[in-house]
Amino acid sequence: GNSVTQMEGPVTLSEEAFLTINCTYTATGYPSLFWYVQYPGEGLQLLLKATKADDKGSNKGFEATYRKETTSFHLEKGSVQVSDSAVYFCALSSEVNMRFGAGTRLTVKP
Amino acid sequence: NAGVTQTPKFQVLKTGQSMTLQCAQDMNHEYMSWYRQDPGMGLRLIHYSVGAGITDQGEVPNGYNVSRSTTEDFPLRLLSAAPSQTSVYFCASKPGSTDTQYFGPGTRLTVL
Repeated sequence: GNSVTQMEGPVTLSEEAFLTINCTYTATGYPSLFWYVQYPGEGLQLLLKATKADDKGSNKGFEATYRKETTSFHLEKGSVQVSDSAVYFCALSSEVNMRFGAGTRLTVKP
Repeated sequence: NAGVTQTPKFQVLKTGQSMTLQCAQDMNHEYMSWYRQDPGMGLRLIHYSVGAGITDQGEVPNGYNVSRSTTEDFPLRLLSAAPSQTSVYFCASKPGSTDTQYFGPGTRLTVL
């Protein structure tokens, strides 16, 4: 069945460092791919999405490219801020369900 | 729009007690779902509904019941709580025409 494997955390970075969180997927067909972010004490918010191969989703300086050949959707940001500290979830749409990765906790230190 | 709302925010139950987690959305979305979030496991689908009067089981439905009498509301019932149901519960909704889900703020449930 469909599944998502996400880089385990936690990840700790200094402010202005480069961020990569790896995400790979297994799916039949061509699902949409998502990154959601969960700030402390809050629900999940959509960060970005891509609906087909080679699409790039971007938002708030984050970006991820739908790579069909490597079945990946890695999240990147060139310069993280303390306010980016959160848990990040990679997910794919699967008929009526969404399949989520385990989540990666990011802590950014000043 | 309030979006997706959930009540209560926190709840502590004793084993064997019952309760209902409330979820409502004001976006006229056809699709609603319940997930539970456990450490290291991401979110897992409990039950979902594609419209009023229609519900179906997700990945982890045991111990939970749902109903959908209106488009707006999708309550989740625990009939006899167990410690294994200690988790954070999220409700989500989406229009039938898209695949992007919108999540509520969550309910943190502890079963002693």
